[in-house]
Amino acid sequence: EAQVTQNPRYLITVTGKKLTVTCSQNMNHEYMSWYRQDPGLGLRQIYYSMNVEVTDKGDVPEGYKVSRKEKRNFPLILESPSPNQTSLYFCASSSVYPFTDTQYFGPGTRLTVL
Amino acid sequence: AQKVTQAQTEISVVEKEDVTLDCVYETRDTTYYLFWYKQPPSGELVFLIRRNSFDEQNEISGRYSWNFQKSTSSFNFTITASQVVDSAVYFCALSEAYGSNYQLIWGAGTKLIIKP
Repeated sequence: EAQVTQNPRYLITVTGKKLTVTCSQNMNHEYMSWYRQDPGLGLRQIYYSMNVEVTDKGDVPEGYKVSRKEKRNFPLILESPSPNQTSLYFCASSSVYPFTDTQYFGPGTRLTVL
Repeated sequence: AQKVTQAQTEISVVEKEDVTLDCVYETRDTTYYLFWYKQPPSGELVFLIRRNSFDEQNEISGRYSWNFQKSTSSFNFTITASQVVDSAVYFCALSEAYGSNYQLIWGAGTKLIIKP
């Protein structure tokens, strides 16, 4: 089954404790993105990647890191999480340029930073 | 100023009623793309439709239809004979040129509640 998976689905952590949210897709897509969803703000892009070892900042990259060492994986790293990073996070992938075509989203990761 | 406005924060209707979700966008580009995504209570985001700025033809897919009007910068979504399973948050999004790339701008979403 074609899908984007994220882990964990739920995470409660404390300020400053490094964490990684994994994202994997099995569709051989070149493009992958991370978004955060906050009430009243819709989705905002954090980072995106156009291929292995190629990443670029989105609208709200501060406080986040990403890496793309393999085509299928695109982990999101929070080196020192803060409460304002409490949010719902989505990973997405697409076979074509994601800003002008369909994206496939993971199930989401709800992160709470205390 | 918001580039994608979904003025209806929440809509509640009784099953079988028709309902229209509004989306108004703002762009100076002549080439742009518009999307609708659905987020059911389970949380995932599901693609519904993509429209480019050169295609103003309205689209119908079963009970879903979309009305794209460049003259009013609107891309409205209508559900005919709504069902409880249509209950979800619906997002409209605009993709416009940003330098040499594009940027995707999302509306805040409209929560649709269909009562049995």
